[in-house]
Amino acid sequence: EVQLLQSGGGLVQPGGSLRLSCVASAFTFSNYAMTWVRQAPGKGLEWVSSITNSGGGTYYADSVRGRFTISRDNSKNTLFLQMNSLRAEDTAVYYCAQYIVQPRYFDYWGQGTLVTVSS
Amino acid sequence: DIQLTQSPSFLSASVGDRVTITCRASQGISSYLAWYQQKPGKAPEVLIYAASTLQSGVPSRFSGSGSGTEFTLTISSLQPEDFATYYCQHLITYPLTFGPGTKVDI
Repeated sequence: EVQLLQSGGGLVQPGGSLRLSCVASAFTFSNYAMTWVRQAPGKGLEWVSSITNSGGGTYYADSVRGRFTISRDNSKNTLFLQMNSLRAEDTAVYYCAQYIVQPRYFDYWGQGTLVTVSS
Repeated sequence: DIQLTQSPSFLSASVGDRVTITCRASQGISSYLAWYQQKPGKAPEVLIYAASTLQSGVPSRFSGSGSGTEFTLTISSLQPEDFATYYCQHLITYPLTFGPGTKVDI
């Protein structure tokens, strides 16, 4: 059974940093693009970032470009999201998901991890 | 950036009802549209991709149609487990935006 197990959320002060991890199992991780999606409390879904299967291509929402960095370690079946210069508006549940690029959709999702930016 | 709108934003329905949700794109997106269902406290799940292809394991009462700028998600006979929020998403080009969601409630 495909699983995406997330970790790394928590409470951080404005301006601080946090790194999220997403460990994949039961599929060949290096064959799939991956993505991060977030959901602020009581709000809708917001695409954050995507990365190609090799890690050679990365894409960001304007709201996080320059502050967040997506990366992956295919040898460890792990996806990362490094979040710097965090703001109150980054408070959300963050989900990792497997990105099927042909046809295009987000298939398996992690359980979500809450990031709270507050002093 | 391509914007998506959904209508209605809230829908009150009963078990057995036929339900239709519309998603409109600010410019043509061919058939690069997916529909997701999200229940409270849970991750979203894909229902439909490529505008009309039913994801494996999703009940056949769900169907999708459309291309270009107008799309619909139809639930032919609403079941108790279908009360949830539904999102459309385009995947033609970055940023891969979601619609604002449609909450289906009793």
